[in-house]
Amino acid sequence: DVKVTQSSRYLVKRTGEKVFLECVQDMDHENMFWYRQDPGLGLRLIYFSYDVKMKEKGDIPEGYSVSREKKERFSLILESASTNQTSMYLCASSLLRPQQETQYFGPGTRLLVL
Amino acid sequence: KNQVEQSPQSLIILEGKNCTLQCNYTVSPFSNLRWYKQDTGRGPVSLTIMTFSENTKSNGRYTATLDADTKQSSLHITASQLSDSASYICVVSETGTASKLTFGTGTRLQVTL
Repeated sequence: DVKVTQSSRYLVKRTGEKVFLECVQDMDHENMFWYRQDPGLGLRLIYFSYDVKMKEKGDIPEGYSVSREKKERFSLILESASTNQTSMYLCASSLLRPQQETQYFGPGTRLLVL
Repeated sequence: KNQVEQSPQSLIILEGKNCTLQCNYTVSPFSNLRWYKQDTGRGPVSLTIMTFSENTKSNGRYTATLDADTKQSSLHITASQLSDSASYICVVSETGTASKLTFGTGTRLQVTL
């Protein structure tokens, strides 16, 4: 079974702090994604990566950056956390191109920014 | 703008009953449609995937249908169980566009005794 793990289930940070969310997958998937999920809104893509050291912006990249130094690990960085970044963050991975392959999701990190 | 609309927003049914969830989309060009189940506090898990040429796909008590002409899909749950309580998310992908998935906002289903 594919396993996607995220470093924290719950996180509380203060405005202005730098926040790191880590995601690791164990199935040698090429593609990795970061989404945020808010009530009443569908999942929204923040960033994705098709290969090591490669990244592309999704629909809402502002205020975020990412890092993919190893194939299995994809990190989401909030350079200076703000209260509007309070959300559920979901990491996903897949083989090949996303439209051909199912994305497998991690359990999510619920981030509260005070 | 590509959109995926789901209805109803929420639904409460008695254990053992059947229910049908709806998904309408405007995504074009269409590649495939997936239904995901998301338990509270967990990540979504894929239930079914259908391409343009498929009009029905089953996974146990879950049966998804697709009408690519009218751009509608449904997810039918038979003999519901308490463990079916979750959000069900419809996701549509475009052909030839890297990483372009459009997510619905989901239907929250509660199965009660």
